[in-house]
Amino acid sequence: DVKVTQSSRYLVKRTGEKVFLECVQDMDHENMFWYRQDPGLGLRLIYFSYDVKMKEKGDIPEGYSVSREKKERFSLILESASTNQTSMYLCASSLLAGDNEQFFGPGTRLTVL
Amino acid sequence: AQSVTQPDIHITVSEGASLELRCNYSYGATPYLFWYVQSPGQGLQLLLKYFSGDTLVQGIKGFEAEFKRSQSSFNLRKPSVHWSDAAEYFCAVGFPFSGGYNKLIFGAGTRLAVHP
Repeated sequence: DVKVTQSSRYLVKRTGEKVFLECVQDMDHENMFWYRQDPGLGLRLIYFSYDVKMKEKGDIPEGYSVSREKKERFSLILESASTNQTSMYLCASSLLAGDNEQFFGPGTRLTVL
Repeated sequence: AQSVTQPDIHITVSEGASLELRCNYSYGATPYLFWYVQSPGQGLQLLLKYFSGDTLVQGIKGFEAEFKRSQSSFNLRKPSVHWSDAAEYFCAVGFPFSGGYNKLIFGAGTRLAVHP
């Protein structure tokens, strides 16, 4: 069965802290994505990666960075967390070719105090 | 620019009633089309997808969707709703992105409540 896992379901951090959100997929997918989900706004793409060590900015990359050292792992980094980054973060993966179907992890609800 | 619109933010139906959730997109060609469902506190699960062929697509949990090119729509339907269908539903379309890669754009979602 297809599986995308995220390191934490709930996370509480303080303003200014460096935050790491980890995502692992076991499907040998080339593409991996990070979204944030906010009420009334749907999912917005932060960053995506189509290969190891490759990354592309999405629609809202400001305040975030990413790392992909291995094919199965994609990390989202908040260099200095701020209260406006309180949100649900969803990781997804997909094949490089094909119909764009993305498989999602369960999400991490991050609260920044 | 590409966009996806789900006009209904909240919908409430009675258990056993029929359901239609609307989705419209803006794009010059036919994109890939998806409906995802998100139960409370969970990630997104794919209900169904369309990329070519028969414009009426069957999905899981008794859902179907119809692609209408002339209306740029991909509405989701279910003939008889169950209490367990209460969730948030997202329409998404796949577009070519810079560098030849594809990405999904999501609608804002429709939250479905089911009355017993």
